[in-house]
Amino acid sequence: GENVEQHPSTLSVQEGDSAVIKCTYSDSASNYFPWYKQELGKRPQLIIDIRSNVGEKKDQRIAVTLNKTAKHFSLHITETQPEDSAVYFCADARDMRFGAGTRLTVKP
Amino acid sequence: DTGVSQNPRHKITKRGQNVTFRCDPISEHNRLYWYRQTLGQGPEFLTYFQNEAQLEKSRLLSDRFSAERPKGSFSTLEIQRTEQGDSAMYLCASSTGDNGYTFGSGTRLTVV
Repeated sequence: GENVEQHPSTLSVQEGDSAVIKCTYSDSASNYFPWYKQELGKRPQLIIDIRSNVGEKKDQRIAVTLNKTAKHFSLHITETQPEDSAVYFCADARDMRFGAGTRLTVKP
Repeated sequence: DTGVSQNPRHKITKRGQNVTFRCDPISEHNRLYWYRQTLGQGPEFLTYFQNEAQLEKSRLLSDRFSAERPKGSFSTLEIQRTEQGDSAMYLCASSTGDNGYTFGSGTRLTVV
């Protein structure tokens, strides 16, 4: 089946630094890529998404970029805060597949 | 409408028993998905409904698993003859068209 690869699996940053999580996909027809944040013991929640007709989307401290040619997309979090600590998942919504997740730790 | 609702929240069952989980999606969402999540992993796709039609099933969904969405509203996921390897969080999600999912809180299954 189609795969979504996500890196890194863990990421530790100092409060105020930026964090970047990268994903690659394999289906050329894929056109919608959401990102989810999952805090410990809670459900995944949609935080931002991007469609294939744009290359970048920003929402306050969170941005997502998409490179369709290279089949990869990235999540960027700026000015990280301790409450950003969670597991983040990328997804290829057309193929309904998720990445394995990135555990982000923001150290105060 | 308070979002996607899943019942029960927790289920402990003995190996070999059958279990059934229920998901009530957001009422205006025509798409419903079942995923399984184990510790430290991303959600693994199990199956997907558009209205009452089951359009896709993962090969993870062995013949012990069956899902229904009889009237295009709530859905049930049944696991027959449970095995210890079935222990996981079973997540339901719903959406409209090609939009992000709203997940339920999940049903945590423990097979002893």
